[in-house]
Amino acid sequence: NAGVTQTPKFQVLKTGQSMTLQCAQDMNHNSMYWYRQDPGMGLRLIYYSASEGTTDKGEVPNGYNVSRLNKREFSLRLESAAPSQTSVYFCASSDGVPNQPQHFGDGTRLSIL
Amino acid sequence: GENVEQHPSTLSVQEGDSAVIKCTYSDSASNYFPWYKQELGKRPQLIIDIRSNVGEKKDQRIAVTLNKTAKHFSLHITETQPEDSAVYFCAASTGWGGSQGNLIFGKGTKLSVKP
Repeated sequence: NAGVTQTPKFQVLKTGQSMTLQCAQDMNHNSMYWYRQDPGMGLRLIYYSASEGTTDKGEVPNGYNVSRLNKREFSLRLESAAPSQTSVYFCASSDGVPNQPQHFGDGTRLSIL
Repeated sequence: GENVEQHPSTLSVQEGDSAVIKCTYSDSASNYFPWYKQELGKRPQLIIDIRSNVGEKKDQRIAVTLNKTAKHFSLHITETQPEDSAVYFCAASTGWGGSQGNLIFGKGTKLSVKP
């Protein structure tokens, strides 16, 4: 049981390049989330998908797009990467019913030069 | 919207001592409060959570207390060990669907346990 799997684990991009971060979960969860983690800032929600077929903006959505491909997969796309998007990106999933915890992937460490 | 404040930002204790981390929240409708532990370079992992229908929950050396009137909750770690060294995050949620079901995280507490 892998839980939440993120690819790639590390990536270096040049300013202006595009990239898609992949996330898949095998827990049959309804809800999925993308966070970014910066030093001293905690975890900030970029986008979420409450259920298959829906996506919504979180706290810091600018510069990102998402796709809920199916129940298992939720991808995050940077169309034109900027140095301010250098961060660690975490995907998470939850059952989607009230008061249930979120389970995180191992993260993607993204550097934009 | 919900705002979660976490204190202290860093905490250093001697092995065997207790550690307490406190969080306050702003939305009185919040009713789910998980705590996550994140070791260096690793994913955040749930260590304990509490729902608003209880005031305290324990799991071995870890306990969480909730004061809904004052809108604060705390993590207590007793008999600390070096492997407890990590960053701890609190979070709050109203538990309902849509955006209100999302977790709002505190900014984290870096706990260092000195042997």
